[in-house]
Amino acid sequence: GEDVEQSLFLSVREGDSSVINCTYTDSSSTYLYWYKQEPGAGLQLLTYIFSNMDMKQDQRLTVLLNKKDKHLSLRIADTQTGDSAIYFCAEKGYSGAGSYQLTFGKGTKLSVIP
Amino acid sequence: NAGVTQTPKFQVLKTGQSMTLQCAQDMNHNSMYWYRQDPGMGLRLIYYSASEGTTDKGEVPNGYNVSRLNKREFSLRLESAAPSQTSVYFCASSEIVTGGPTQYFGPGTRLLVL
Repeated sequence: GEDVEQSLFLSVREGDSSVINCTYTDSSSTYLYWYKQEPGAGLQLLTYIFSNMDMKQDQRLTVLLNKKDKHLSLRIADTQTGDSAIYFCAEKGYSGAGSYQLTFGKGTKLSVIP
Repeated sequence: NAGVTQTPKFQVLKTGQSMTLQCAQDMNHNSMYWYRQDPGMGLRLIYYSASEGTTDKGEVPNGYNVSRLNKREFSLRLESAAPSQTSVYFCASSEIVTGGPTQYFGPGTRLLVL
């Protein structure tokens, strides 16, 4: 079955760049996502990338996709204390009954040191 | 628009008690999902409903039942709660059955089973 792997923890200093990495197994994935979860809250979609793209930039966020290696990364420039959260990588795959499912990684907890 | 709403926000149950978690969305989405989130496990899909009138099992359906009451509402029922069902439960919805980029999440229900 599909599997999404990401490291569990990352610690960076305020102002530095953060890079969160993710690997996935389903080569037929059409979309890949990054979600952010702040303490006690639900998941908030940060950004997503379509599988025919290599890179997507959105303000401080840069997503890189290496389809050959099935590797996805999220770079946060000028990391702020408000970026401290758990970041989930997810891939979209088709399931039965004409629907699709998201498969999530276990999440990377980003800690920003002031 | 409220997006995806869930009730209750918190619940404490004794082993063997039953309860229903409610979810509603006002985005006219066809597909709805129930996930549970446990520490270090990421999100795991319990059940989903591709469209009104259909429901299907996800990765961890045992001990749960669901009802897609109408297009807006998708409920999750625990008939006889067990401590292993202590978790945070998230409801999500998505645009159309086979397309649309992503799922939108509710704020979660925190359930403690004693």
